[in-house]
Amino acid sequence: ETGVTQTPRHLVMGMTNKKSLKCEQHLGHNAMYWYKQSAKKPLELMFVYSLEERVENNSVPSRFSPECPNSSHLFLHLHTLQPEDSALYLCASSPVVASSYEQYFGPGTRLTVT
Amino acid sequence: RKEVEQDPGPFNVPEGATVAFNCTYSNSASQSFFWYRQDCRKEPKLLMSVYSSGNEDGRFTAQLNRASQYISLLIRDSKLSDSATYLCVVNLYSGAGSYQLTFGKGTKLSVIP
Repeated sequence: ETGVTQTPRHLVMGMTNKKSLKCEQHLGHNAMYWYKQSAKKPLELMFVYSLEERVENNSVPSRFSPECPNSSHLFLHLHTLQPEDSALYLCASSPVVASSYEQYFGPGTRLTVT
Repeated sequence: RKEVEQDPGPFNVPEGATVAFNCTYSNSASQSFFWYRQDCRKEPKLLMSVYSSGNEDGRFTAQLNRASQYISLLIRDSKLSDSATYLCVVNLYSGAGSYQLTFGKGTKLSVIP
């Protein structure tokens, strides 16, 4: 596979469930990101990892817990979510965390919390 | 004031038309600027970076005015395949070796036959 892949593509979960989103990049990049895209809102950066270390956490509630075991994989663990957390969750990667580099996005996981 | 502001549209234009999108950003310390394209129910993809001197890629021309904190995208000879949402994106150094991309809400373009 090439580029950035995400699984699952669609997820429906109840508020008491625990689930995880997975992202994998095959580009040899060192930086990975989680974004949230809600209807009628701009993409919101959630977390940034550089060389497997978290360098940015944009005041995201603790019910979202990221994990980056290596530079190719990124997870987002979900626990006791709220209906307003329903959104498209996008993973992205870039060669390094730097201003001029393009970010490559995965296809996203469309999450519905019931 | 919103960090990155765009006219949401929609812009409905006939094939062959020229269309321009504008974007303003609030943080004067922003360092890099981009236009991304997002097709319906797909992920964003980089369309082009934006440089102070202005840059062109085929039918697409991007301009940056740092003094006015304003970015533009011009599409000439619109094609049906140009129909998408165009996202204005600004990159800002946020400290501790970290940069943050800030996205506008996007401008929706529909090119009509």
